[in-house]
Amino acid sequence: EVQLVESGGGLIQPGGSLRLSCAASGFTVNSNYMSWVRQAPGKGLEWVSVIYSGGTTYYADSVKGRFTFSRDTSKNTLYLQMSSLRVEDTAVYYCARIGSAWSFDYWGQGNLVTVS
Amino acid sequence: QTVVTQEPSFSVSPGGTVTLTCGLTSVSVSTSYFPSWYQQTPGQAPRTLIYNTNTRSSGVPDRFSGSILGNKAALTITGAQADDESDYYCVLYMGNGISVFGGGTKLTVL
Repeated sequence: EVQLVESGGGLIQPGGSLRLSCAASGFTVNSNYMSWVRQAPGKGLEWVSVIYSGGTTYYADSVKGRFTFSRDTSKNTLYLQMSSLRVEDTAVYYCARIGSAWSFDYWGQGNLVTVS
Repeated sequence: QTVVTQEPSFSVSPGGTVTLTCGLTSVSVSTSYFPSWYQQTPGQAPRTLIYNTNTRSSGVPDRFSGSILGNKAALTITGAQADDESDYYCVLYMGNGISVFGGGTKLTVL
């Protein structure tokens, strides 16, 4: 069974750094494209970043230069290193697997990051 | 800045049919954007409904269907049920790994 479990969220002051983790099971992260999606309180979903199976990463303009998407294949875990955090980065962060035709086929439960 | 447009809200009667749309401000949506649709209820992670324009995800009832209607992607719910009351999001793939979500449609069934 495919599962994605996020951790590492919490309260952080503006300008601070935080690292989110997403532990995957039921498949291997380095054989799949993976993504982070966030949702600010009461707002819609926003694509944040993607990592290809080959390791190439892309970012939304809103986080480019501040966030880094990485993975540890030995732990089958993804990471989102967030720095220079802003109040507007406050959101529930979801990791998701990219399936057929660039769709997000499996989602984690979400992890709240509050920048205040 | 690419903007994906969705109706902010929609209402449908139980048993009725509703079509939600997903557009782009300056160009037509085509299958080349690989439109996908997600359902989200409060406090829950999104659930995949439709991908690649019109392919239903595993376990999704056939009352949900996807298509291209005119210059937009569309999600049609036929025979709406009370538990279809949710937020619905479309996503378009822009290339170079970048996906863009629409603002979402809040569907009320009453």
